[in-house]
Amino acid sequence: AQRVTQPEKLLSVFKGAPVELKCNYSYSGSPELFWYVQYSRQRLQLLLRHISRESIKGFTADLNKGETSFHLKKPFAQEEDSAMYYCALTGSSQGAQKLVFGQGTRLTINP
Amino acid sequence: GAGVSQSPSNKVTEKGKDVELRCDPISGHTALYWYRQRLGQGLEFLIYFQGNSAPDKSGLPSDRFSAERTGESVSTLTIQRTQQEDSAVYLCASSLAAGTGNEKLFFGSGTQLSVL
Repeated sequence: AQRVTQPEKLLSVFKGAPVELKCNYSYSGSPELFWYVQYSRQRLQLLLRHISRESIKGFTADLNKGETSFHLKKPFAQEEDSAMYYCALTGSSQGAQKLVFGQGTRLTINP
Repeated sequence: GAGVSQSPSNKVTEKGKDVELRCDPISGHTALYWYRQRLGQGLEFLIYFQGNSAPDKSGLPSDRFSAERTGESVSTLTIQRTQQEDSAVYLCASSLAAGTGNEKLFFGSGTQLSVL
């Protein structure tokens, strides 16, 4: 079964400080992992996916299969990063389409 | 259309009534998903469609919940005999043709359902 755990419901950091949102997963196959973000009064949208190895808005995430983690990091937080962040998992095999989300972490960046 | 459209945006109903929630995916997106988000909770998978068929209905919480999709386009989620615990935001998302499961999901704004 697919499972995603985000241990922090709330995270608050000061502007300019590093931020790390934790995500751990459980999946027996080869996972595909994503971070989705929802800014205030906006729709849920894709932030980044591990397969693209991209950096979006200064955020990066590295898949660690040994620790079954996909933590989201940014070296210097900005106020506009305040949002709800969801880690999500699906399988890479054909037909494994269900995208399972974690409970989400509300990130607040203090000025 | 420009994005995934859901209607109504808000629905208030009385316990025991049936409700129908509608989702219009992005044109050309063959995969369509329904999620439920209760207050203060994460996204709970309900069902997904590939074309008009639903390979995975595992998230539907009870037989009061059903969904269909026609013309590889519009989908309706029906909740019969609503209960107070059905109160939540119901989110719809769509993505391009099924493949490795790596496709980006585009979400609608959701339907806020309140059961009194």
